Amino acid sequence: TQLLEQSPQFLSIQEGENLTVYCNSSSVFSSLQWYRQEPGEGPVLLVTVVTGGEVKKLKRLTFQFGDARKDSSLHITAAQPGDTGLYLCAAAPNSGGSNYKLTFGKGTLLTVNP
Amino acid sequence: DAEITQSPRHKITETGRQVTLACHQTWNHNNMFWYRQDLGHGLRLIHYSYGVQDTNKGEVSDGYSVSRSNTEDLPLTLESAASSQTSVYFCASSVGYSETQYFGPGTRLLVL
Repeated sequence: TQLLEQSPQFLSIQEGENLTVYCNSSSVFSSLQWYRQEPGEGPVLLVTVVTGGEVKKLKRLTFQFGDARKDSSLHITAAQPGDTGLYLCAAAPNSGGSNYKLTFGKGTLLTVNP
Repeated sequence: DAEITQSPRHKITETGRQVTLACHQTWNHNNMFWYRQDLGHGLRLIHYSYGVQDTNKGEVSDGYSVSRSNTEDLPLTLESAASSQTSVYFCASSVGYSETQYFGPGTRLLVL
């Protein structure tokens, strides 16, 4: 079973600050997904990264997949209160086959204060 | 629009009772999943299904069961509810391998 470690576990910042959260493992992944979960709701997909070294941007959010496909980072520029939520990474195994299970990290709980 | 719904959204039950949580999706996805989410543990997989009549155990399946009689529904049954099963339960569905999982809004279960 792959273990995904997310850091930091909690992050509280002021509006306008930049931040980076991390998702790390000792395993190689075929792909990695980032979800955001708002209070009282289910997680919603933000992005999927597939290729080692890949960088994807979603407005003020920048996602990077490590060259070795073992880690990923999410950078938020000029955070806003609307960015508040639990950020989860999830990875698919590199073993192939008909395995549709994702392994989720425990998440980073981000609070952006106005 | 396609969606995934869960019912009830909130449930209070007593220890030892049987409880069934419903999950219904209109995405026509083959794959469906049940997770529980607890502080300090994140999302943990309970059971999953790759299609009708297919069910598989996840990492925390003890005390839970599922059945898949059609594409749209995957009900989760707690056979004899225990206080340790107090949690928030999420259902999800996906098209295929490593694809996006679409989550329901969750069911908050309290076992007294």
